[in-house]
Amino acid sequence: DTAVSQTPKYLVTQMGNDKSIKCEQNLGHDTMYWYKQDSKKFLKIMFSYNNKELIINETVPNRFSPKSPDKAHLNLHINSLELGDSAVYFCASSLSPLPTYEQYFGPGTRLTVT
Amino acid sequence: GQQVMQIPQYQHVQEGEDFTTYCNSSTTLSNIQWYKQRPGGHPVFLIQLVKSGEVKKQKRLTFQFGEAKKNSSLHITATQTTDVGTYFCAGVSGNTGKLIFGQGTTLQVKP
Repeated sequence: DTAVSQTPKYLVTQMGNDKSIKCEQNLGHDTMYWYKQDSKKFLKIMFSYNNKELIINETVPNRFSPKSPDKAHLNLHINSLELGDSAVYFCASSLSPLPTYEQYFGPGTRLTVT
Repeated sequence: GQQVMQIPQYQHVQEGEDFTTYCNSSTTLSNIQWYKQRPGGHPVFLIQLVKSGEVKKQKRLTFQFGEAKKNSSLHITATQTTDVGTYFCAGVSGNTGKLIFGQGTTLQVKP
């Protein structure tokens, strides 16, 4: 009964490849997020969706494309992977897009680009 | 853009010592949240502060929100090895309406 789940947990791939990370939440939340955590542990928001609609799109290369088929799922597709994309990617969800609601994070996907 | 600065970046303490991490913003925050991330884990919500001067306690953890709502602190009394991890503050500016995370303070506790 995991609240926010992500697959895969680890992803090792070569530069130039395309990869996807999947996220699912069973909390009934309306809002989902993608964060990137670099090697210095800095957490940076990338995208946010509310009820399948994109509401936050930070300055992220357009090689990153999120997709939300329904409000329980938010996937992240990355084209033409670069070395600098190596990081831990966290999915999160919250009851509402209002930033006064706590966010529930998934276990993370550690992406290593070689 | 809005920034939330957190200090120190790292702190090593002996078990039983106290620990404090500080969070500062250049703009007034509507609210602030604190999260803890264990090594190899994911951020977990601890608490939210909303009111000016607010103080909340969770066992050995004391959270404060500054009177001007531009700073916050987390104080741990008598640290234990289970307190090891990275503590993040995350603030919301009234201007942007976005939750911005500080850089985190990583706490190491020596038994």
